[in-house]
Amino acid sequence: KAGVTQTPRYLIKTRGQQVTLSCSPISGHRSVSWYQQTPGQGLQFLFEYFSETQRNKGNFPGRFSGRQFSNSRSEMNVSTLELGDSALYLCASSLEGTSRGETQYFGPGTRLLVL
Amino acid sequence: AQTVTQSQPEMSVQEAETVTLSCTYDTSESDYYLFWYKQPPSRQMILVIRQEAYKQQNATENRFSVNFQKAAKSFSLKISDSQLGDAAMYFCASNSGYALNFGKGTSLLVTP
Repeated sequence: KAGVTQTPRYLIKTRGQQVTLSCSPISGHRSVSWYQQTPGQGLQFLFEYFSETQRNKGNFPGRFSGRQFSNSRSEMNVSTLELGDSALYLCASSLEGTSRGETQYFGPGTRLLVL
Repeated sequence: AQTVTQSQPEMSVQEAETVTLSCTYDTSESDYYLFWYKQPPSRQMILVIRQEAYKQQNATENRFSVNFQKAAKSFSLKISDSQLGDAAMYFCASNSGYALNFGKGTSLLVTP
């Protein structure tokens, strides 16, 4: 089975712009989660989607949003980019979510640099 | 709030030796799961080992094993017969609903 894929792998944007990141989960996985990884804050949970519905959201401003499509692919969007949004954005998928201890399988990440 | 603490920012081990990475957690969940993930320089997060909190038996996966002390809320990872390929960041995590809470990580250096 193909693993979790994320596109693009690298992205450079300027302050004030918006960006959309894409994640394709492992085939058959319906839960997709997003995490932000920075040197200062570490790994922080952004949100989780299951069957096109957001089930859980982390403590991030409304500039961060996401969605999931009927084929389980997910996108996250960051509007009005700030310098502090520079980070590695990781996507993870699992069959039904980690609430019952399912393993989350991570993609390679999208590295976003905001100038 | 759920918190996961890794008190060792960096650890070093010689090839073929054994090393233990520490992790403590705080959770209000009655049923939870604990994980160790490895992140090599490629940045791809890879699951190392998983522990179900209601199971008293410590999980093992080949050279990797955990010491799970539920009362002390401690979940340490032991790597036996360390190999050069074990060099990476190691993250301890607990689940909270549909999210994983991660510690800050421990950077493991393996020397020949």
